[in-house]
Amino acid sequence: DGGITQSPKYLFRKEGQNVTLSCEQNLNHDAMYWYRQDPGQGLRLIYYSQIVNDFQKGDIAEGYSVSREKKESFPLTVTSAQKNPTAFYLCASSMTPSGANVLTFGAGSRLTVL
Amino acid sequence: GQNIDQPTEMTATEGAIVQINCTYQTSGFNGLFWYQQHAGEAPTFLSYNVLDGLEEKGRFSSFLSRSKGYSYLLLKELQMKDSASYLCASRSSGGGATNKLIFGTGTLLAVQP
Repeated sequence: DGGITQSPKYLFRKEGQNVTLSCEQNLNHDAMYWYRQDPGQGLRLIYYSQIVNDFQKGDIAEGYSVSREKKESFPLTVTSAQKNPTAFYLCASSMTPSGANVLTFGAGSRLTVL
Repeated sequence: GQNIDQPTEMTATEGAIVQINCTYQTSGFNGLFWYQQHAGEAPTFLSYNVLDGLEEKGRFSSFLSRSKGYSYLLLKELQMKDSASYLCASRSSGGGATNKLIFGTGTLLAVQP
């Protein structure tokens, strides 16, 4: 079955550490996205990529970095510069960046900073 | 500007009908999505409206009025499994070819026996 796989599902980090969240899709989608979800707030876009080797900042990119070396993979690194990293992180993909394309989401990764 | 409002919580009874409203202010508006999200899980797509009117899909229907900046999701014959958060999201076509959505905070629906 096609879909998006995020790992790990739960992750604990000490302050000052960088962590990388994995996102892999086998849907052959061109576009991939990272969202952050906090209680009482809507999903907020961190980074997105429309094509391999290209990505753009979303609304809250500070303290995060991404890469898109392969079509299937879009890992997100939460750096020590991110002041409030505890959140639920959702990766998504769509067939193409434009048009009425539906987002397919992964199951999420919950990051907790100790 | 970009803004979406939807109620924080709603409660309904099994077998009943519930309507979840969403108002939006989106520059370059180009479509309205509804997603369902069970706690700790991935959001899943429910419906998409770009033209005014009602779209029906089984027990779920979604309505859009572009002139009023208003949408609603209608759930009929409620089942316990419908207890979830319902996310309203508007799409803006401004600036480049991206499927960039603005999400509301979600409406947590509790279905009671």
